[in-house]
Amino acid sequence: GAGVSQTPSNKVTEKGKYVELRCDPISGHTALYWYRQSLGQGPEFLIYFQGTGAADDSGLPNDRFFAVRPEGSVSTLKIQRTERGDSAVYLCASSLSSGADTQYFGPGTRLTVL
Amino acid sequence: KQEVTQIPAALSVPEGENLVLNCSFTDSAIYNLQWFRQDPGKGLTSLLLIQSSQREQTSGRLNASLDKSSGRSTLYIAASQPGDSATYLCAVLDDKIIFGKGTRLHILP
Repeated sequence: GAGVSQTPSNKVTEKGKYVELRCDPISGHTALYWYRQSLGQGPEFLIYFQGTGAADDSGLPNDRFFAVRPEGSVSTLKIQRTERGDSAVYLCASSLSSGADTQYFGPGTRLTVL
Repeated sequence: KQEVTQIPAALSVPEGENLVLNCSFTDSAIYNLQWFRQDPGKGLTSLLLIQSSQREQTSGRLNASLDKSSGRSTLYIAASQPGDSATYLCAVLDDKIIFGKGTRLHILP
């Protein structure tokens, strides 16, 4: 079956612009996670959805970052007023029902803020 | 605050050798520990997941152990192959998922 997909694969934007990153989880997976990975680092947790609701958004760095999952499947990570420090690979993962289950990762979106 | 450390940061070994990658964590109150593989420019692939009640998991040439009391896990790779070259990450789940920085493994043909 299809795995986790993310679009776009690459996004280049200018400082101050707004961007949206999309994640399509594996069908039937209720848990969805967003991470940010900088070069040479492990993924850093951003937010965890259980169904439509954000069960844990404590990893979002500031109020410029926001994520939604309105129908409990596709999720969008939104970044306002982008800064150069936002440049990273944004990874999405899904799991069957909770963090205790195996997570399946998408290929990531590489965001570059000029 | 949970911290996950992976040693070594990088490792090169000749093909065919057995090897061990190490992961340590500071807070033993975890639900599970997961080992991932990441190829350059790619997402993560789950290798093994060990629940907190388990001590090890095996898949093919891979064996992962978990010692919660000492805050350690090891990933053992038997008979290494050039295709095993990748970055290996461990992650623990307590109230959120915390990753280590990974070990970059290079298998020399």
